[in-house]
Amino acid sequence: GAVVSQHPSRVICKSGTSVKIECRSLDFQATTMFWYRQFPKQSLMLMATSNEGSKATYEQGVEKDKFLINHASLTLSTLTVTSAHPEDSSFYICSARAPPAGGQETQYFGPGTRLLVL
Amino acid sequence: QQQVKQSPQSLIVQKGGISIINCAYENTAFDYFPWYQQFPGKGPALLIAIRPDVSEKKEGRFTISFNKSAKQFSLHIMDSQPGDSATYFCAASMMGDMRFGAGTRLTVKP
Repeated sequence: GAVVSQHPSRVICKSGTSVKIECRSLDFQATTMFWYRQFPKQSLMLMATSNEGSKATYEQGVEKDKFLINHASLTLSTLTVTSAHPEDSSFYICSARAPPAGGQETQYFGPGTRLLVL
Repeated sequence: QQQVKQSPQSLIVQKGGISIINCAYENTAFDYFPWYQQFPGKGPALLIAIRPDVSEKKEGRFTISFNKSAKQFSLHIMDSQPGDSATYFCAASMMGDMRFGAGTRLTVKP
């Protein structure tokens, strides 16, 4: 299957600082990437859809000024958590929509980034 | 509104047994139904997927059964192994917009 990487895998930061998470599609071009948040033992919560060269589309209840998304190229999307607070601590996962294979597009997920805000 | 309902929330199976996870959806516009497997601290990995024009798809020990009229689909894991212990998510997609079930935590006891 297609490969999606995330960096960093784990980050600890102080409250009030900003953290940037990178998501890369390694062996395909992704015009669309997605950012999810996952709390312990819960499902994936879609935060935003990132489209290359245009503004991200945020889900209801997600603050776009707090979670800045940039999709500057077909293989890279970044999520910046601005002025992070302890309640932002979570597991952040990106996915990339791969070109159709067998007539069907699908999403491939990155390994996730564990954010801990102290 | 939850568009994909998944059950059970957790499942314990003995080694060698069959694990069955069920999902139901509402929107008939969904046209792609993948299953993802997630281990703790890792991102979900695509396991197997099916399209609505097929009633069953098998890959190794993993089988998806699809009932279009009932708007239900299920994952069967044959000869379940301790290494299969993970959280499984079903999903439904239309035009690339994917919605996930709540997840099933599977534990396979040795």
